[in-house]
Amino acid sequence: KAGVTQTPRYLIKTRGQQVTLSCSPISGHRSVSWYQQTPGQGLQFLFEYFSETQRNKGNFPGRFSGRQFSNSRSEMNVSTLELGDSALYLCASSLALGPGELFFGEGSRLTVL
Amino acid sequence: QQQVKQSPQSLIVQKGGISIINCAYENTAFDYFPWYQQFPGKGPALLIAIRPDVSEKKEGRFTISFNKSAKQFSLHIMDSQPGDSATYFCAPPLGISNFGNEKLTFGTGTRLTIIP
Repeated sequence: KAGVTQTPRYLIKTRGQQVTLSCSPISGHRSVSWYQQTPGQGLQFLFEYFSETQRNKGNFPGRFSGRQFSNSRSEMNVSTLELGDSALYLCASSLALGPGELFFGEGSRLTVL
Repeated sequence: QQQVKQSPQSLIVQKGGISIINCAYENTAFDYFPWYQQFPGKGPALLIAIRPDVSEKKEGRFTISFNKSAKQFSLHIMDSQPGDSATYFCAPPLGISNFGNEKLTFGTGTRLTIIP
């Protein structure tokens, strides 16, 4: 069974640009969550989608957005990039909402110059 | 703001020794307490989790101990091996106690190094 797939794995952007990251969950998983990981802050929750609806949102500015498609694939977008957005962005899928095992992808490493 | 406090930040243990990592939380929305393990270049993966109808759960060399009154749970790694060198995160579910609104809130992580 294929795991969670995130693309691209690495990308470099400059300040002011926007970026779109993609996540394909494990087949049959309907919940997709996004986390930002930085050395100083650890893993911080961005948002969670279930059945194409955002169910939870973390404390990030509106420049961070996401969506989920009918096949459960998800994308997140960051507009007007800032240097502080440099991080590893992790996507995780799970079977359903509520606490339970999260299956993480290997992440998309974003560097903002 | 609900918080998770994990300690220590880093830990060096000799091979064969016991590694202990602690996690303190405020109020959880759901009785489910997991530990995740992350190797460099990889995403975190569930190591062990407890749903506290019991106060302790053991899987191989890994044990979770849970103290509900103190709002703490810990991870013990017995007979620590170099392959256990990784970053460990506790991740209790915080948020509104309403199925679907709980979300795993990760601690800041403990970098564990096992030396020969």
